[in-house]
Formats: sequence, structure tokens, C-alpha cells
Amino acid sequence: DTGVSQDPRHKITKRGQNVTFRCDPISEHNRLYWYRQTLGQGPEFLTYFQNEAQLEKSRLLSDRFSAERPKGSFSTLEIQRTEQGDSAMYLCASSFFWAPGEQYFGPGTRLTVT
Amino acid sequence: RKEVEQDPGPFNVPEGATVAFNCTYSNSASQSFFWYRQDCRKEPKLLMSVYSSGNEDGRFTAQLNRASQYISLLIRDSKLSDSATYLCVVNWGIQGAQKLVFGQGTRLTINP
Repeated sequence: DTGVSQDPRHKITKRGQNVTFRCDPISEHNRLYWYRQTLGQGPEFLTYFQNEAQLEKSRLLSDRFSAERPKGSFSTLEIQRTEQGDSAMYLCASSFFWAPGEQYFGPGTRLTVT
Repeated sequence: RKEVEQDPGPFNVPEGATVAFNCTYSNSASQSFFWYRQDCRKEPKLLMSVYSSGNEDGRFTAQLNRASQYISLLIRDSKLSDSATYLCVVNWGIQGAQKLVFGQGTRLTINP
């Protein structure tokens, strides 16, 4: 399967713990995006990378959130000191840089903070 | 005002009906527009891009009105498999520093 993959698919954690999610994009794609989606809402942009460079971060991304794409391939999203409000689906997507609107999404990681 | 606004629905229509969704966006500098489809508990998938002159893909027609900052999607001869949430998406920002802004989605159920 050459689509976007995410790991884990589900994560349950206690408030205050740190969590890390991984995304493996489509290998030919140079852009990688992270979104957060809550029930009844569309995905909200968090950040994106072109190759290994992080080009934009949303104001939603507090200093508890950090994302990396060290070699321009897979990416990680870490949330430190999780809060109940962080409970959501975290979606990763990738695209070619010349077609940023044509994004391919992974299945997401569902985070539940108890 | 929300950046991208859609009627959340739900829309319940019988199979074979024609249904239309609307969407407005607030950033007049936006350059590109899309409709994505999201099935229940699945990831969003690109349905179609929206071009200035309007475009059609089978039973689906997308229209853009830049003056009114308005996008529409028309589905003709609806099928049961069209049941999904339809997300209006706007590409936000200048060239080279872009992000997609999604509307909250319009839920559609096609009834047999």
C-alpha cells in the first residue's frame, strides 16, 4: 500500500502525559501536513513541511505541540503535557509542492485524553 | 466571521434527486478551491477542484463566484453511495506559503 500511513491509530493517555504520533507520507510527495479534527468540524490546519523545512505553523499550535520531519520523509507530532481539550483526530496528509490543494490523507490517529 | 462557512445540514434526499451545497469564504485573496468528501469515520478525499469557469465531473458540477466569494457543488441523479460529508476547501495564503482551510462540512444522506 503506497498511501499515507499513521501510527498509532488510537491512543488513550492520561492528562499531563506526552504523546507522539508518526506519519509516513506518499514517498514521492515533498509536502506533509498535520491537521486536527473534532466531531462535526472540518480538519483544522496545524502545520506543514516542504521536505524537512517547517514552513508554516497555525496559531492553534501552542508551545506544547512540536512537529518534525528530520529527513524529509516521515514526520512526528508530539504533544507535551496533554490536556482533555487535545482529544481529537490528528490527520496527516501529503502532496506535491506544485499541487498543494490535492492532498492525500492518512487514516488519522484518534487521541483520547482522560 | 468564519474563514470558510457551510450549511452543516444534514441534507436528506431521495435517490435520484439533485442536491446543491453552498459555501462562502472570507479571504478575497484565495486562489484555489476544492471540494473534498469524507465518509463516516474515514479520512477526507479530494472530490474535485473548482475552476473559475466552473467544471463538471460526471454527475458533479462545481461553480465559483469570486465577486461574491461563493462556491457551490451540484450533485445530479444522486446515488446511495453519495452519502457522505462534503467539505468546502479554500487554499489560503500567498504562493509558497499556503495552507488549506476547510469548512465544517455538509452532511448528505441519500435515502432509497
